Amino acid sequence: DTGVSQDPRHKITKRGQNVTFRCDPISEHNRLYWYRQTLGQGPEFLTYFQNEAQLEKSRLLSDRFSAERPKGSFSTLEIQRTEQGDSAMYLCASSLRGRGSSYNSPLHFGNGTRLTVT
Amino acid sequence: EDKVVQSPLSLVVHEGDTVTLNCSYEVTNFRSLLWYKQEKKAPTFLFMLTSSGIEKKSGRLSSILDKKELFSILNITATQTGDSAIYLCAVERTGTNAGKSTFGDGTTLTVKP
Repeated sequence: DTGVSQDPRHKITKRGQNVTFRCDPISEHNRLYWYRQTLGQGPEFLTYFQNEAQLEKSRLLSDRFSAERPKGSFSTLEIQRTEQGDSAMYLCASSLRGRGSSYNSPLHFGNGTRLTVT
Repeated sequence: EDKVVQSPLSLVVHEGDTVTLNCSYEVTNFRSLLWYKQEKKAPTFLFMLTSSGIEKKSGRLSSILDKKELFSILNITATQTGDSAIYLCAVERTGTNAGKSTFGDGTTLTVKP
């Protein structure tokens, strides 16, 4: 168990540029989540996948945000035409959902990607 | 929309003190309430609570859930400087739209030597 890893750790970009973040979940976990966190706030849900299927996307999420999880392994989160309001810590988490049951393990978080839009 | 409110927002205590952190929630089709500790970057799991009145304990930390009054508390006894962190409360639902966790804004605990 090498934990959840995210890349890059930090990203500074100019307004209007596109950015892409990567998340590698714990290998045996079938669920993968993206959250956004700003100072003084708790993590805000963005989207989640079960295997390769994107099951839910926050209604607050702009169309500039898109996430993929090809083959149900790693995931990418892309933000197009970044705005200063996108500056935040982007956290990825994974969990194990038991097949045929309601069991869902606690979230295991990565260390996040801190995005600064100038 | 699910809602989680934590109090206090911040707390400063001295080593050896006992603290109680509060979490109230509103969620449709409640399944579980979870507590996480966030020190620098990644939140780490502390407790998962699903049943009322059953205390979960780990060392100096303990937590209990009241599903009738819709709240949970996290107690830390004999606090140490290493307990300084943001403590996050989250709820999960079951049924349709199950899966995501909704977080509160956290309680920032500072333990002074």
